Amino acid sequence: KNQVEQSPQSLIILEGKNCTLQCNYTVSPFSNLRWYKQDTGRGPVSLTIMTFSENTKSNGRYTATLDADTKQSSLHITASQLSDSASYICVVRSPSRQGGKLIFGQGTELSVKP
Amino acid sequence: DADVTQTPRNRITKTGKRIMLECSQTKGHDRMYWYRQDPGLGLRLIYYSFDVKDINKGEISDGYSVSRQAQAKFSLSLESAIPNQTALYFCATSDSRGDSFEAFFGQGTRLTVV
Repeated sequence: KNQVEQSPQSLIILEGKNCTLQCNYTVSPFSNLRWYKQDTGRGPVSLTIMTFSENTKSNGRYTATLDADTKQSSLHITASQLSDSASYICVVRSPSRQGGKLIFGQGTELSVKP
Repeated sequence: DADVTQTPRNRITKTGKRIMLECSQTKGHDRMYWYRQDPGLGLRLIYYSFDVKDINKGEISDGYSVSRQAQAKFSLSLESAIPNQTALYFCATSDSRGDSFEAFFGQGTRLTVV
């Protein structure tokens, strides 16, 4: 069973609109949670990192939230641009004492249309 | 120049052939990883290395082998390629110092086994 589940699997929105991507995880405890952006044909690049004690963090038009009690994270994209079209991957890291493994979600494929 | 460089970027090979994918990094990181990505399955860990003398199997190591020739170089071999090894392969690095453990990915190698 995948320990990191993302929804929706894919999403199409119009340019300028907002959207929210979801990540549910069962990894417990965890060291940190990252959202990565993967453009087509390229490697993933980190957008933001959340630690256990953080609830929200912004990086430009991207805002990530974390609820450690419900084991949920979201990535909110404001005023979407065509360049936001990509796959967004939620990655949870287990603590170092448990091997520090990175556990990947399957990703959400976002398509921003003009 | 990219911090994490993979060669080749694209490769088509025949079933039964031996093939090597190479990865080099200029980030000075001690940890290196090989992942494969298949549509709908996300990134799955093949092998990882925490330093030159440390090699560990990931979740899908069967049919693959690796060599850590130096801190900056980590190669992945398919001893006898089979069609279901057709996938997008990524090399990644991370630094064990500090707490963030961000993974930095190469551009990927698209491998097709016919």
